[in-house]
Amino acid sequence: DAGVIQSPRHEVTEMGQEVTLRCKPISGHDYLFWYRQTMMRGLELLIYFNNNVPIDDSGMPEDRFSAKMPNASFSTLKIQPSEPRDSAVYFCASTGTSGRAFTDTQYFGPGTRLTVL
Amino acid sequence: QKEVEQDPGPLSVPEGAIVSLNCTYSNSAFQYFMWYRQYSRKGPELLMYTYSSGNKEDGRFTAQVDKSSKYISLFIRDSQPSDSATYLCAMSATPSYGKLTFGQGTILTVHP
Repeated sequence: DAGVIQSPRHEVTEMGQEVTLRCKPISGHDYLFWYRQTMMRGLELLIYFNNNVPIDDSGMPEDRFSAKMPNASFSTLKIQPSEPRDSAVYFCASTGTSGRAFTDTQYFGPGTRLTVL
Repeated sequence: QKEVEQDPGPLSVPEGAIVSLNCTYSNSAFQYFMWYRQYSRKGPELLMYTYSSGNKEDGRFTAQVDKSSKYISLFIRDSQPSDSATYLCAMSATPSYGKLTFGQGTILTVHP
C-alpha cells in the first residue's frame, strides 16, 4: 500500500490567495482526519470524516477554512483567503474500522508545508 | 490551560542513555494513550499505545500510565542516534476513531 498521499508537498502563496490541499487516504479506511502542526500550537485536529461525512469540525479555525470529501478516496482542505498565520504543515491521516477499538491507529501522510507570504 | 501538556525540550542525551519523556493531562475522561514518533519533515507514526493505567513494554520502549496523577511516560532504554526525533503523546476518551488530543511534542537528540 502506498500509504496516505498528500499533494502538494510544498506550497508557497501570497496572502489573499486561495489554497487547496489534497489527500488520498489508504484504501479501505473509513476515517479521514486533517491536522495542522505549528511550532507554537503543536498538532491540532481540524476536522475528521467518517464514510465521507464530516463528523467534527470544531477544530476548523475560521470560516476561511473548508474541507470536503466527495468520495472515499479523496479529500480537500481549502483556505480562502489565506493569511500569513495559516503557515503550517498540514497533515492528513486515515484509519479503518476493524472492530478492535483504538488499535486501529491513525496513519499519517507526509504533510503539506504551506507558507503564506 | 491546554488539556495535554508536554515539555517541548529539546532533550539531548548520549547514546546508550535512558530517556524519559512525559505528559500531563487534565481531562479525566482520557482512557486511551498513545505515543507517536515524528522524524524531521515526516508525518507522525504510532510507536505505542496503552489503555487505562499500567505499563506496556515493547523492546527498548516502555509506556507507563498513572491515571491517578494524570501523568504518562515513555521510557527509551539504550537510546540510539536513530531514536532522534520528536515524540508526541496523544490521548482520547473514546475507544477508537474519535479525535485525539496531542501534546506539543518533545524534541529528542541522541548523540553518538
